[in-house]
Amino acid sequence: NAGVTQTPKFQVLKTGQSMTLQCAQDMNHNSMYWYRQDPGMGLRLIYYSASEGTTDKGEVPNGYNVSRLNKREFSLRLESAAPSQTSVYFCASSEDRGAYGYTFGSGTRLTVV
Amino acid sequence: QKEVEQNSGPLSVPEGAIASLNCTYSDRVSQSFFWYRQYSGKSPELIMSIYSNGDKEDGRFTAQLNKASQYVSLLIRDSQPSDSATYLCAVHASGGSYIPTFGRGTSLIVHP
Repeated sequence: NAGVTQTPKFQVLKTGQSMTLQCAQDMNHNSMYWYRQDPGMGLRLIYYSASEGTTDKGEVPNGYNVSRLNKREFSLRLESAAPSQTSVYFCASSEDRGAYGYTFGSGTRLTVV
Repeated sequence: QKEVEQNSGPLSVPEGAIASLNCTYSDRVSQSFFWYRQYSGKSPELIMSIYSNGDKEDGRFTAQLNKASQYVSLLIRDSQPSDSATYLCAVHASGGSYIPTFGRGTSLIVHP
C-alpha cells in the first residue's frame, strides 16, 4: 500500500520554464490537496479538490493550475516558474474532506533559478 | 480569519522527560483537532486526532482538548531522541470550506 506518491522528488527549473508535479493516491480518498511549505511560513494551501471533478483555490493559488485527472490523481502545474515558487510541495489526500486528517506524500523540493 | 497558534520553540527536554506541546485556536466552531509530526526533510505524518473534550491516549502520546478555553495540547511521555521533530497542530471545522488550518509548528529537541 503506497499511500500518496509524488513525482519528482527534486527539480531545478530556470525562470520561465514550466513543469507539472504529479500526485497519485491508492487509498480511495475523495479529497486531494496541494500545499507548499516555506521556512517560517508553515503549510500553505495552493489548491484542493474536494471530490473528483471539482477543484478550488486555496490560500496561495497565483502562478499555479491543477487538474484532477481522476479519483486517484491530482496534478499541479507551474506555467512560468518564478524564483518565488522555490519551495517544498506536498500533496495530501483525505476521506470526508479532511475531517479525519490527511495523508501526505513525500514531497517535491523545487528550486527555481 | 481562523488562526492556530503554536510556540515555534525549540522546546528542549531531556531524554525520559515529558514534553508538552501547546496549541491555541481562534475558531469556536472547530470540531476536529490533529497533531502531525514532521522530521527534518520529511513530510508531515498524522500521529493523533481528537474530537471531544478531555484526554486521548495512544502509547506514549496523550492529546488533550479543552474547547471552552480553545486549546489543544500534546504530551509525550518518556521522550526519546527519536521524538525530535517539528509538531504541527491542525484544526478543522465541520461545515464551511472543510479545509483545516495548520499552525506553524513547534520544534522539539530531546537530548540524551
